[in-house]
Amino acid sequence: GAGVSQSPSNKVTEKGKDVELRCDPISGHTALYWYRQSLGQGLEFLIYFQGNSAPDKSGLPSDRFSAERTGGSVSTLTIQRTQQEDSAVYLCASSYTTSGSSDTQYFGPGTRLTVL
Amino acid sequence: AQSVTQLGSHVSVSEGALVLLRCNYSSSVPPYLFWYVQYPNQGLQLLLKYTSAATLVKGINGFEAEFKKSETSFHLTKPSAHMSDAAEYFCAVSVNTGTASKLTFGTGTRLQVTL
Repeated sequence: GAGVSQSPSNKVTEKGKDVELRCDPISGHTALYWYRQSLGQGLEFLIYFQGNSAPDKSGLPSDRFSAERTGGSVSTLTIQRTQQEDSAVYLCASSYTTSGSSDTQYFGPGTRLTVL
Repeated sequence: AQSVTQLGSHVSVSEGALVLLRCNYSSSVPPYLFWYVQYPNQGLQLLLKYTSAATLVKGINGFEAEFKKSETSFHLTKPSAHMSDAAEYFCAVSVNTGTASKLTFGTGTRLQVTL
């Protein structure tokens, strides 16, 4: 079956511009996660959705970052006024349920963001 | 808070040799532990996970890991390396917070396999 998809695969933007990154989770998965992978910080958790609500936004680095999820499916991560330190690979993952922390998270291929 | 330490950012082995990638965790509650593999320009793929059922966990591609509570370790092994195993490997821990199952990752170990 189809896995987690993300678009675009690559995004180059200028400092100060806004960007939107999209994630399509596996059909039927209720939980959705965003992570960031950068050379300096490794893999970091950003935000988690259960359905359309976000119980844990603790990893968002600043108020320039926001995310939403609609219809319990697609999610969009928005970065406003991008800075060079936002350059990273943004990974999305989904899991069937969050009934326990042993749930397997399935990852998409990521969006590589470059801020010039 | 939980954390993961992966010893060795780069490991090089010969094809056919034993692969050993080290992972130690810190958690105040019983953890769930995962190993993921990342091939170039791809997302993360689950190799195996420990969920407190059995301490020796077998995964895909011939990999296995043993949970040792006394050593707070979850090292990944494979008896015989193959060229296709060259990739970056991440150990991760998850704990039940009641609201989220976010993963905390180690810094990764890049495995090189030589002829």
